[in-house]
Amino acid sequence: NAGVMQNPRHLVRRRGQEARLRCSPMKGHSHVYWYRQLPEEGLKFMVYLQKENIIDESGMPKERFSAEFPKEGPSILRIQQVVRGDSAAYFCASSPPPFLLAPWTSFYGYTFGSGTRLTVV
Amino acid sequence: AQTVTQSQPEMSVQEAETVTLSCTYDTSESDYYLFWYKQPPSRQMILVIRQEAYKQQNATENRFSVNFQKAAKSFSLKISDSQLGDAAMYFCAYRRRVQGAQKLVFGQGTRLTINP
Repeated sequence: NAGVMQNPRHLVRRRGQEARLRCSPMKGHSHVYWYRQLPEEGLKFMVYLQKENIIDESGMPKERFSAEFPKEGPSILRIQQVVRGDSAAYFCASSPPPFLLAPWTSFYGYTFGSGTRLTVV
Repeated sequence: AQTVTQSQPEMSVQEAETVTLSCTYDTSESDYYLFWYKQPPSRQMILVIRQEAYKQQNATENRFSVNFQKAAKSFSLKISDSQLGDAAMYFCAYRRRVQGAQKLVFGQGTRLTINP
């Protein structure tokens, strides 16, 4: 059972280009979370999605950033017109549906991918 | 809003010794989870240990244990018999314990170095 797969592992973009980061959740997981890690900082929550629905996007910048999780295929984090400040590691995590993460169940179903390091030159 | 603070940017310890990493948090909730994650140079986020706030007993996983002080909102990680493979960034994290509240709030991290 493969873990959470993120690709590419490294991505270099010039200022003004678009960056597309992909995340394939673990088998059986229907919920995806994106986090951003700036250099020498902790992970910051960006967005939480289930298939075809955004649950919580309170951490997403208001402009240039968008996320989707279509019925088929991976979740995509899209950054338009990238700037140097977007350089960071972007992590995806996945989990089973929330009712399986109810307080009386194990939280170990929340699994992280290895991240995509985005460098804007 | 909940916040998590790790006041030690870097720590070092001799191999086989014990080290304690500090974490404090701020929340108005009474029920929540706390976690310690390890991030080696590979960048993979590895769950080390978790604690449910309603449990008074401190969690333990082999050489890793926590000191959870709910009133003080403190959650430190103790690593016993440190090994070279323990060298990594360590992040403390918080999550509300309500259904549907899935996001984690992380601290800034502590870089742990193990000296042979």
